[in-house]
Amino acid sequence: NAGVTQTPKFRVLKTGQSMTLLCAQDMNHEYMYWYRQDPGMGLRLIHYSVGEGTTAKGEVPDGYNVSRLKKQNFLLGLESAAPSQTSVYFCASSYSKVVGTALNQPQHFGDGTRLSIL
Amino acid sequence: GEDVEQSLFLSVREGDSSVINCTYTDSSSTYLYWYKQEPGAGLQLLTYIFSNMDMKQDQRLTVLLNKKDKHLSLRIADTQTGDSAIYFCAEAYTGGFKTIFGAGTRLFVKA
Repeated sequence: NAGVTQTPKFRVLKTGQSMTLLCAQDMNHEYMYWYRQDPGMGLRLIHYSVGEGTTAKGEVPDGYNVSRLKKQNFLLGLESAAPSQTSVYFCASSYSKVVGTALNQPQHFGDGTRLSIL
Repeated sequence: GEDVEQSLFLSVREGDSSVINCTYTDSSSTYLYWYKQEPGAGLQLLTYIFSNMDMKQDQRLTVLLNKKDKHLSLRIADTQTGDSAIYFCAEAYTGGFKTIFGAGTRLFVKA
């Protein structure tokens, strides 16, 4: 059982380049999330999804887009990378309907993608 | 709005107890979590407490919740060097899908 898998683990981009971060979960979770982690700022929510085909903006959505075409995958796109987007990106998922309500089902995290933009 | 605050650093000697503190603002939260992040890894759930409980113990971990003061603490007994990590406090509400994380407390354990 792999849990939450993020690819790639590391990437260096030049300003203006685009790329897509991939997140896959095998726990049949309904909810998926993208966060960025910056020193001293904890985790900030970029976008999230409460089900296949749905997405919503989080706390810091500007400069990012997401898609959830399949329940198990949540993609984060940077259309034109900027140095301010240098960060560690974490994907998380939660809530299996088989287990019960969402109230006591915590988020499960991937190992992160370290992204540097020059 | 919703906010979770933690001190950024804590240093203890091996074998001592560590106490990591957290304050939160949302009175409607349902579950409060502690996550651990080791270098180069994602966050792993350590323990959690439901907001109608005062205390939860799980082996070396004790979680205390003071609802009146909106204060949460994590006590690690007999702290080991392997406990060195960043610890995040988080509160979940709005039906469970929204979680707010603190900035994380970096625990240093001196041998």
